Amino acid sequence: GAVVSQHPSWVICKSGTSVKIECRSLDFQATTMFWYRQFPKQSLMLMATSNEGSKATYEQGVEKDKFLINHASLTLSTLTVTSAHPEDSSFYICSAREPGHRYEQYFGPGTRLTVT
Amino acid sequence: DAKTTQPPSMDCAEGRAANLPCNHSTISGNEYVYWYRQIHSQGPQYIIHGLKNNETNEMASLIITEDRKSSTLILPHATLRDTAVYYCIVLQGNQFYFGTGTSLTVIP
Repeated sequence: GAVVSQHPSWVICKSGTSVKIECRSLDFQATTMFWYRQFPKQSLMLMATSNEGSKATYEQGVEKDKFLINHASLTLSTLTVTSAHPEDSSFYICSAREPGHRYEQYFGPGTRLTVT
Repeated sequence: DAKTTQPPSMDCAEGRAANLPCNHSTISGNEYVYWYRQIHSQGPQYIIHGLKNNETNEMASLIITEDRKSSTLILPHATLRDTAVYYCIVLQGNQFYFGTGTSLTVIP
């Protein structure tokens, strides 16, 4: 089946620094990828939809200048958390849609971000 | 916003069928129902999806009511490894909006 990876699996950074999280589709090309955030004991919240070669579409309330998304190739999307603060500490999960499977999303294993 | 409501938690005895309900009373005629599950600190795993007809695969069965306002996910023989949070999702456009899900605990 389709496999999505994320790197790193966990990261600790200092307040004010930026962190980049990578999402890769390993055995298929993904024209559309999605980024979610999940706080402890809460559900996944969609942050943005990333389309290869174009700007990401952000959900209401998500700061596009703080959460930079780049989808430069059909197998890689990146999320950069800029000027991170402790309240950005969360579990970040990406997913990818396989062409031909119009709606089904395959999720990565997630990245645990801790900002100190 | 999520269009689904689910009970927050359920228990099921190992080896028995687990029936997880979901209400989606505002679903539109062409919106699919998807089920995913999430084991602690992992990414969600696809289980099954459907539109109008009941569906079955190697993991589960999905029963959708005729009016499409609710559905039930059935795990026919629950095992301890089925302990997870189960999400019922109505696909909106091309996006998933997750509700709060049901935390299923399979008891030995």
